[in-house]
Amino acid sequence: DTGVSQDPRHKITKRGQNVTFRCDPISEHNRLYWYRQTLGQGPEFLTYFQNEAQLEKSRLLSDRFSAERPKGSFSTLEIQRTEQGDSAMYLCASSLRGTSGRANTGELFFGEGSRLTVL
Amino acid sequence: AQSVTQLDSHVSVSEGTPVLLRCNYSSSYSPSLFWYVQHPNKGLQLLLKYTSAATLVKGINGFEAEFKKSETSFHLTKPSAHMSDAAEYFCVVSLPFGNEKLTFGTGTRLTIIP
Repeated sequence: DTGVSQDPRHKITKRGQNVTFRCDPISEHNRLYWYRQTLGQGPEFLTYFQNEAQLEKSRLLSDRFSAERPKGSFSTLEIQRTEQGDSAMYLCASSLRGTSGRANTGELFFGEGSRLTVL
Repeated sequence: AQSVTQLDSHVSVSEGTPVLLRCNYSSSYSPSLFWYVQHPNKGLQLLLKYTSAATLVKGINGFEAEFKKSETSFHLTKPSAHMSDAAEYFCVVSLPFGNEKLTFGTGTRLTIIP
């Protein structure tokens, strides 16, 4: 399968613990995004990368959250000192921005998500 | 700022009857608009997109949507529902180009009655 893959698919942790999620995008895609989806809501933007550069972060991304994409391929999202309010589905997506300068806006390819439950 | 409002949280239709999922948008600019579908335990999948070309947009699996600027609407339709259409549908808006941040609606759950 050459789609976006996320790991782990499910994570249950106790409040105060740290968790890390990994995302492997489609190999030729230069942009990678993280979204968060809570029950009954649509996904909310967290952050995105072009290659290894983190270009934008949402206000939702508190200091306890950190995302990296060190070599412009896979990405990790770490949540430190988890809180019950962090319980959500964390979605990763990737896209290919064309070299002409016009963004390929909206054609994001999503993974199946990593579901976090904080007890 | 931009936003979308999905007018129905849940829609039920009988198999073989038309589907209408309603979406209104708000944007300071001419927006790009999309519909994504989420099947249980599957990733979000792009159904169709509007990016200021034709106002009637055709997507996958027989779905289409019409951009109506005067009504600020982008409703999703399908002439005949199939059991496999049961899923969560999201209306999405973004700035036309240069901004990769998508703003999702709260979703409409579509149930197909056999």
